[in-house]
Amino acid sequence: DAGVIQSPRHEVTEMGQEVTLRCKPISGHNSLFWYRQTMMRGLELLIYFNNNVPIDDSGMPEDRFSAKMPNASFSTLKIQPSEPRDSAVYFCASSSSDRRDGYTFGSGTRLTVV
Amino acid sequence: AQSVTQPDIHITVSEGASLELRCNYSYGATPYLFWYVQSPGQGLQLLLKYFSGDTLVQGIKGFEAEFKRSQSSFNLRKPSVHWSDAAEYFCAFMNTGFQKLVFGTGTRLLVSP
Repeated sequence: DAGVIQSPRHEVTEMGQEVTLRCKPISGHNSLFWYRQTMMRGLELLIYFNNNVPIDDSGMPEDRFSAKMPNASFSTLKIQPSEPRDSAVYFCASSSSDRRDGYTFGSGTRLTVV
Repeated sequence: AQSVTQPDIHITVSEGASLELRCNYSYGATPYLFWYVQSPGQGLQLLLKYFSGDTLVQGIKGFEAEFKRSQSSFNLRKPSVHWSDAAEYFCAFMNTGFQKLVFGTGTRLLVSP
């Protein structure tokens, strides 16, 4: 398996633009998680899905952030409009139904909003 | 509140020396505990995990961790550190309801020659 695949690896955008981050989880995993990593706040869970359904989005910082999982093999995290304070590394992770196996993380998307 | 704490932000160890990274948790029952490693520019990789049984667990890359209920700790150890171990290490906690994984703030390991 190729692991969790995220795209793009790097994104530089101007303030006010829409940004879409993409994630392909491991085949057979039924849970998907979006995390944000910054120096100031560390790793924050933004939202997670079970069987394509959003379960907990309490970590989504503002209405500017939205996430979808239209099918078991694809998820997006969208920021509209983007702001400089959204600059961070965004990680996607997936897990099987037995969460005790831990999560498998993608390589992340480094977002810079100028 | 359910949480995990890593008291050391940075640790420097000489190559070949032993390593211990500290992790403490706050939870009323025995949680599920994990250690992850993040190399620069990379995602997080699972080193090892504990949820029951033998309190000393072995992981990848020669790492081990010991669960101590009396101290609410799950410290990560390695007997001899290699330069390639320089990275950030995260302890993580999951409650027995199998909900979300909550990460500590991380410990950055520097390895000196």
